[in-house]
Amino acid sequence: KAGVTQTPRYLIKTRGQQVTLSCSPISGHRSVSWYQQTPGQGLQFLFEYFSETQRNKGNFPGRFSGRQFSNSRSEMNVSTLELGDSALYLCASSSGGPETQYFGPGTRLLVL
Amino acid sequence: SQQGEEDPQALSIQEGENATMNCSYKTSINNLQWYRQNSGRGLVHLILIRSNEREKHSGRLRVTLDTSKKSSSLLITASRAADTASYFCATALNSGGYQKVTFGIGTKLQVIP
Repeated sequence: KAGVTQTPRYLIKTRGQQVTLSCSPISGHRSVSWYQQTPGQGLQFLFEYFSETQRNKGNFPGRFSGRQFSNSRSEMNVSTLELGDSALYLCASSSGGPETQYFGPGTRLLVL
Repeated sequence: SQQGEEDPQALSIQEGENATMNCSYKTSINNLQWYRQNSGRGLVHLILIRSNEREKHSGRLRVTLDTSKKSSSLLITASRAADTASYFCATALNSGGYQKVTFGIGTKLQVIP
């Protein structure tokens, strides 16, 4: 099976812009989770989608949003970018139960 | 807030030595997982241990879990330069019919050839 893919891999934006990141899970996986990773904070959970519904959400401002499509692909959107949003954004998929999460390579976002 | 806290935050050893990393957590869990991350890349799952298990092995990896102390350890035996990476523990708790996973801040391991 193909692994989790994320696009784009690298992105440079300026403050105030918005960005959309994409994640394609492993075929058959219905759960997609998003994480923000920064050197100081480690991996911070953003949200999880399962069968097109958000079923878990971390403590991030409303500028961070996401959605999941019927084919389980997920997108994450960040509006009004701030310098502090510079990070590696990781998505992970699982079949939905208490099993292993499979991570994509991440999208590295730099906000100038 | 982070559920798991790894200790030490950084570890440097010689190739061939054993590396031990610890993870402490605060609440009850259903399972605990260890992941490896090579610099700037995605995480790779290493091993999962359930709350009713005490020890698990996978190749050169040995994981222990002490639910009374709310702690886990990851032992890598006969380390290799390729083991250089960051290692994260992740605790999972079933909540409302789904699994809530929380990661620690990681231990950065350097294996010197």
